Amino acid sequence: QLQLQESGPGLVKPSETLSLTCTVSGGSISSSNYYWGWIRQPPGKGLAWIGNIYYTGTTYYNPSLMSRVTISVDTSKNQFSLKFSSMTAADTALYFCARLNGPTQKREFDYWGQGTLVTVSS
Amino acid sequence: SYELTQPLSVSVALGQTARITCGGNNIGSKNVHWYQQKPGQAPVLVIYRDSNRPSGIPERFSGSNSGNTATLTISRAQAGDEADYYCQVWDSSIVVFGGGTKLTVL
Repeated sequence: QLQLQESGPGLVKPSETLSLTCTVSGGSISSSNYYWGWIRQPPGKGLAWIGNIYYTGTTYYNPSLMSRVTISVDTSKNQFSLKFSSMTAADTALYFCARLNGPTQKREFDYWGQGTLVTVSS
Repeated sequence: SYELTQPLSVSVALGQTARITCGGNNIGSKNVHWYQQKPGQAPVLVIYRDSNRPSGIPERFSGSNSGNTATLTISRAQAGDEADYYCQVWDSSIVVFGGGTKLTVL
């Protein structure tokens, strides 16, 4: 059974860069069939897409966030990562990683991590 | 940018049918996915590509998509169906989520 697990700091200071890692187990991140994504959810609000990555390193980002976001992949560790710069209180959210499955530009998020809460505060 | 519109809340009596809509410009030309999220949990895919159910999702969950509206239908609603539901599409390599609908089972 595929599992995804987010890891990283639960508390980040304003203006700092957040670094999160998603570790994939029970399957290979290098499979040609899947993309891998990050989604966040501010407390009490809806889901917001951050970006996706393919095992080759091809990325797609939310245009409203792309100036602050970098997603990378480490196939040797079966992990992909998120870096989010210039964090503010508005970036306080539950951050999820997930797998994308399906045809190009029709993919669904079929497996999700449990999420990790990141709070931005001094 | 493409926008998806969902009602903030939908109520349904126990055992009755709930319908949650997702509106978007010509959404019928896109593939719509639906997620269920219960408090404190990660979202779960309940319908993919308009009308397909993943393994383990009850047949009570169904989906349709035409024109400017996609619909998630939950038949014989149970207390355990009470959750937030989100629709999702792709638009020019961008993932778009609807704002979410809170389903209350009365």
